[in-house]
Amino acid sequence: EAGVTQFPSHSVIEKGQTVTLRCDPISGHDNLYWYRRVMGKEIKFLLHFVKESKQDESGMPNNRFLAERTGGTYSTLKVQPAELEDSGVYFCASSHATAGTIYFGEGSWLTVV
Amino acid sequence: AQSVAQPEDQVNVAEGNPLTVKCTYSVSGNPYLFWYVQYPNRGLQFLLKYITGDNLVKGSYGFEAEFNKSQTSFHLKKPSALVSDSALYFCAVRDITSNTGFQKLVFGTGTRLLVSP
Repeated sequence: EAGVTQFPSHSVIEKGQTVTLRCDPISGHDNLYWYRRVMGKEIKFLLHFVKESKQDESGMPNNRFLAERTGGTYSTLKVQPAELEDSGVYFCASSHATAGTIYFGEGSWLTVV
Repeated sequence: AQSVAQPEDQVNVAEGNPLTVKCTYSVSGNPYLFWYVQYPNRGLQFLLKYITGDNLVKGSYGFEAEFNKSQTSFHLKKPSALVSDSALYFCAVRDITSNTGFQKLVFGTGTRLLVSP
């Protein structure tokens, strides 16, 4: 069974540009999460989808970040325009049940220069 | 709010020796605790979890964790360390929104484990 997959694995963009990260959850997992770890700090929650609905987006840092999950399958996280402080690792994760174990992907490593 | 603390930024141990990576928690209600590991340039991998039951939880790659309610701790342990265990270890606690029942994980700052040959 394939795990959570993320694309791209690494991205280097200039300040002010746009980047879109994609996540494919484990097949059959209705719950999809985005987390990020910036500058060697702790991993922080960004938001949670159940199917195509955003259940909790309390961790989204500002309106430069937009997450979508059309059709309840894969999800995208767009950063527009990117700032230097957005550099870090963006992890996507999924779980089958609402309170099930959360499985993470390999992460998308974003560097904004 | 639920939180976990990992007091050590780095733990150094020689191969073959036992290892302990510390985690303490602060929760309201029953704690649901997790350990994840991040190998170099890789994603987060689930190691083990404590929900209820035995205080000693066994997980992947020979790791185990001991839940201690009186000390509010959930330390990760392994009897004999391997060089390949060198990685970043994260403790996490489940935070459940009371009105929806939906969960999210709250992570510690991570502990780098370095196992020397």
